[in-house]
Amino acid sequence: AQSVAQPEDQVNVAEGNPLTVKCTYSVSGNPYLFWYVQYPNRGLQFLLKYITGDNLVKGSYGFEAEFNKSQTSFHLKKPSALVSDSALYFCAVRDDTGRRALTFGSGTRLQVQP
Amino acid sequence: SQTIHQWPATLVQPVGSPLSLECTVEGTSNPNLYWYRQAAGRGLQLLFYSVGIGQISSEVPQNLSASRPQDRQFILSSKKLLLSDSGFYLCAWGSVTYNSPLHFGNGTRLTVT
Repeated sequence: AQSVAQPEDQVNVAEGNPLTVKCTYSVSGNPYLFWYVQYPNRGLQFLLKYITGDNLVKGSYGFEAEFNKSQTSFHLKKPSALVSDSALYFCAVRDDTGRRALTFGSGTRLQVQP
Repeated sequence: SQTIHQWPATLVQPVGSPLSLECTVEGTSNPNLYWYRQAAGRGLQLLFYSVGIGQISSEVPQNLSASRPQDRQFILSSKKLLLSDSGFYLCAWGSVTYNSPLHFGNGTRLTVT
């Protein structure tokens, strides 16, 4: 079975400050992890994915994610937040034991204040 | 490049009416196709997925059905809508490899009145 937890419903950060959006996962096999962003009334846009062996992966728009196998976490980070980063962020996982569908977390709303 | 089209963007339907949402993918062959529903702007629930023409797997028993009449076409249907069917419906496609992301359409906002 696969599951994803995003413990924070909302994260508030000031523009220019670093941001972190947390994600932990549980899978039976090897994890394949992804981050998506969603703007109002739009579909999900792919940001980045975990690449086996890379504990820090870089993605679109200056985002990066830190993989920690012992903590089963895949936190999304950005060194300097922009107001335009304000959106809903989803962590997703699949493992290699079966179906290709992704299991999504409940989402974290990021609010960047000017 | 690959693109995914989903329509309509918004739909308001009365309770008891039928539903048909369509999704098509361009620029790829034999994609895996998915229907998700997002309630109240939050988590996504997998409804159906398909690995080929006529092959549909249902994740949650409910008032909806899906069909894949062509390789790159995925249709979500209902014979009689319920109020609880309201939500944001998202179609997605993906390849067969585990490390490939899903790519989403822009979604359909369905309101059942």
